[in-house]
Amino acid sequence: DAKTTQPTSMDCAEGRAANLPCNHSTISGNEYVYWYRQIHSQGPQYIIHGLKNNETNEMASLIITEDRKSSTLILPHATLRDTAVYYCIVRSNFNKFYFGSGTKLNVKP
Amino acid sequence: EPEVTQTPSHQVTQMGQEVILRCVPISNHLYFYWYRQILGQKVEFLVSFYNNEISEKSEIFDDQFSVERPDGSNFTLKIRSTKLEDSAMYFCASSQPRGGADYGYTFGSGTRLTVV
Repeated sequence: DAKTTQPTSMDCAEGRAANLPCNHSTISGNEYVYWYRQIHSQGPQYIIHGLKNNETNEMASLIITEDRKSSTLILPHATLRDTAVYYCIVRSNFNKFYFGSGTKLNVKP
Repeated sequence: EPEVTQTPSHQVTQMGQEVILRCVPISNHLYFYWYRQILGQKVEFLVSFYNNEISEKSEIFDDQFSVERPDGSNFTLKIRSTKLEDSAMYFCASSQPRGGADYGYTFGSGTRLTVV
């Protein structure tokens, strides 16, 4: 699976949008972009995933560039409970998930 | 929303003892996984299990580890003779492909294993 690059940490003010970037320049055509998060030491929580098109669900939006070499996870109105480590993972179907170091998002009041 | 349930939430054991970590995956899921996370480190893949056999395992998953699906609901991870370095959070996960695609895993909340 392709590797991803994410910033180590980011800050966001409560109520503002949090935009978390991810680079995956070696992504191949059959690989999806997944986002998970881990709050404290809890189990990783699925957020969203996509292949080519932008995706939105009740938690977040995923914007994938046209060349698919990078993506952005958007939390539209961050709350304190969104403080977590966010993992961007590129993976083809049925392969295991590799978790990198992720981005530590600090939502501040 | 369906959940993956893990028990116990915290297990303390003496070095050299056997431990069994238990998981109840989501009922219609067919693929099962164990991951672990040593404190302050990354989440690491241990093993995947499908159709009553191991489909893939990592270097970490040596002869001290085994997995079993003893009935239609439970999925267990056994560590035969625990070492201090086995202290970690252990996460169970399950998944169910739909329409030929795989929509990712649902993880449990984990078991914190402390070996003393």
